[in-house]
Formats: sequence, C-alpha cells, structure tokens
Amino acid sequence: DGGITQSPKYLFRKEGQNVTLSCEQNLNHDAMYWYRQDPGQGLRLIYYSQIVNDFQKGDIAEGYSVSREKKESFPLTVTSAQKNPTAFYLCASRSPQTTGELFFGEGSRLTVL
Amino acid sequence: AQKVTQAQTEISVVEKEDVTLDCVYETRDTTYYLFWYKQPPSGELVFLIRRNSFDEQNEISGRYSWNFQKSTSSFNFTITASQVVDSAVYFCALTRDVTNAGKSTFGDGTTLTVKP
Repeated sequence: DGGITQSPKYLFRKEGQNVTLSCEQNLNHDAMYWYRQDPGQGLRLIYYSQIVNDFQKGDIAEGYSVSREKKESFPLTVTSAQKNPTAFYLCASRSPQTTGELFFGEGSRLTVL
Repeated sequence: AQKVTQAQTEISVVEKEDVTLDCVYETRDTTYYLFWYKQPPSGELVFLIRRNSFDEQNEISGRYSWNFQKSTSSFNFTITASQVVDSAVYFCALTRDVTNAGKSTFGDGTTLTVKP
C-alpha cells in the first residue's frame, strides 16, 4: 500500500543528544513536510521540501535540520539546540492533484529525559 | 495573517447523537481553501474535505456534512448519527492556494469523544 512511514514511533533521548526521525514515502510525491504537534495545539510547520535537493524553513525551524537527497526520504534531525524538543512529530506529503490533499504518517513521539 | 479558530476544545456525545464542530477563520485573501482533517488515536491525520472560497455549496458525504458560510467566515462540520469510530481529534485548516496546502494554518483541533 502507498503511504508515509515514520520511524521510530516512540523515542527517548537524553538532553544534549541529537536524534533523527525517519520519514519515507512511496507515493511519488514531490512535496514533503515536517510538523510539530503539542498537546491541545494545531500543527506547526518545521521544514518543507518541494523537490529533491531543496528545502525551506517553516515557522519553527530553529533547532531542527533536514535533508532531501532522495524523493522518497525526508529525515528530520532534532538537535541539542532545540530547547523544548519533547513533542509529537508528523511527516506529510502533498498530492500533486488539484485537491492539495496532504498524506500523513502515524507520527513519532519524542521524549527528552 | 491567517487564523483558524476551533473554539470547542473537547466535545463528548453519546452514540447516535448529531454533533457539529465549529471552525471560524480569518484571512485577507479573496481566494483561499479550507480543509478538514481527522486524527484518530493512531496519530496520522486523514483528509476529509477541501472547499474553495468561491464555492459556497454545502457538501454531504454519508454521515458527514459541511456548511461553508463566507458571510460569517465559518466552515462547520456536522456528523450525523455519531459512532464510536468517529472519536478523534478534528482539525480545520486554511491556505491561500492548494500548492501551498502544506503551509496551511491549522486550528488547535477539537477532540470528539463518542460514547457507546
């Protein structure tokens, strides 16, 4: 089945450590996105990529980094510079159809101890 | 600046009741698009509907219906005869064009609990 696969589903990290969240898609979509979701809040855009080898900062990019070396993959690194990294992270891709529909993965929950 | 307000943080209903989730938006754009997404306990958001600003026709899909009123800047979502499987967080989102749908402004979501 086509879709977005995120891993790991749960991740624990000590303060000061970098951690990389994986996002893979087999939908052949060009555009991919990373969001952060905190309890009781909507999604906030961290980074996005409209095409391979190109990405742009979203609204809350500080303390995060990404790469887009392959169309299928858009990993997110949460660096030690991110002051409050404990959150639920969602990856998505956008349909090239005119609906603009977003397809989401099941998310990765990061807890910093 | 765009803004989406979902004033209902949590709603609890008993199965078979009808329930309406409110979404009020603010934008200075004359053309824009509104979306509803469902986030079940599994975590992934699921697209439900898109509506553009120049089409005020209401839409019905099975037990789901949407009421778009430009005059009140609202795009409300009604579930008829709710079921336990409807329990989820529902998000309303706004963007100025579909190619930027990934940069949508999301509301804070409404958590719907349907009790048997």
